[in-house]
Amino acid sequence: DIQMTQSPSSLSASVGDRVTITCRPSQGINNYLAWYQQKPGKVPKLLIYAASTLHSGVPSRFSGSGSGTDFTLTISSLQPEDVATYYCQKYNGVPHTFGQGTKVEIK
Amino acid sequence: QVQLVQSGTEVKKPGASVKVSCKASGYSFTDYYIHWVRQAPGQGLEWMGWISPKNGDTNYAQKFQGRLTMTRDTSISTAYMDLSRLTSDDTAVYYCAREADIFTGYFKYWGQGTLVTVSS
Repeated sequence: DIQMTQSPSSLSASVGDRVTITCRPSQGINNYLAWYQQKPGKVPKLLIYAASTLHSGVPSRFSGSGSGTDFTLTISSLQPEDVATYYCQKYNGVPHTFGQGTKVEIK
Repeated sequence: QVQLVQSGTEVKKPGASVKVSCKASGYSFTDYYIHWVRQAPGQGLEWMGWISPKNGDTNYAQKFQGRLTMTRDTSISTAYMDLSRLTSDDTAVYYCAREADIFTGYFKYWGQGTLVTVSS
């Protein structure tokens, strides 16, 4: 099975900072990658699919890029409401494995 | 609007089984796969498998083979996840999720989650 490795596992940044999270599959997955945001005690929410397509209603400060074995989720200007854990997920066949998550906090 | 409504909290003893339901509304139930994802306390998301509501086909993650069964009842637009031989490691919130588009594999709609606690 393909393993999904996210880094860092956690980060602390100031409001307005640019934040980047990396997801690296152990094998190439083309662009079959999604990103989710999960706030404490809440259900995960879809942010991005096909590596770089912003889901409807998601603020434009979120963006995704990458292909193959190297993907990034970027928050261009971190806001207090972005405090959450972020997960990548592959979906180019089963299992639809998630990364282990990146917890984002405000400094 | 699309909704997935799950059954309530469960407390089970080790060795028992649990069956969680996921009632869909707001769309054609048979058009989209339903997936199950779980999250142990303080841990990440773990994909468990999917079921095709149209024909009942299933695909399970290897680690659950032999003790996971997904079924559906199209007459009431409900999917079920049945996990047997429970251990404390199965304590988690279990989510059902619907694919965003047909045969896509990423999830736009989620149930509210069902907490399953396994304890003697």
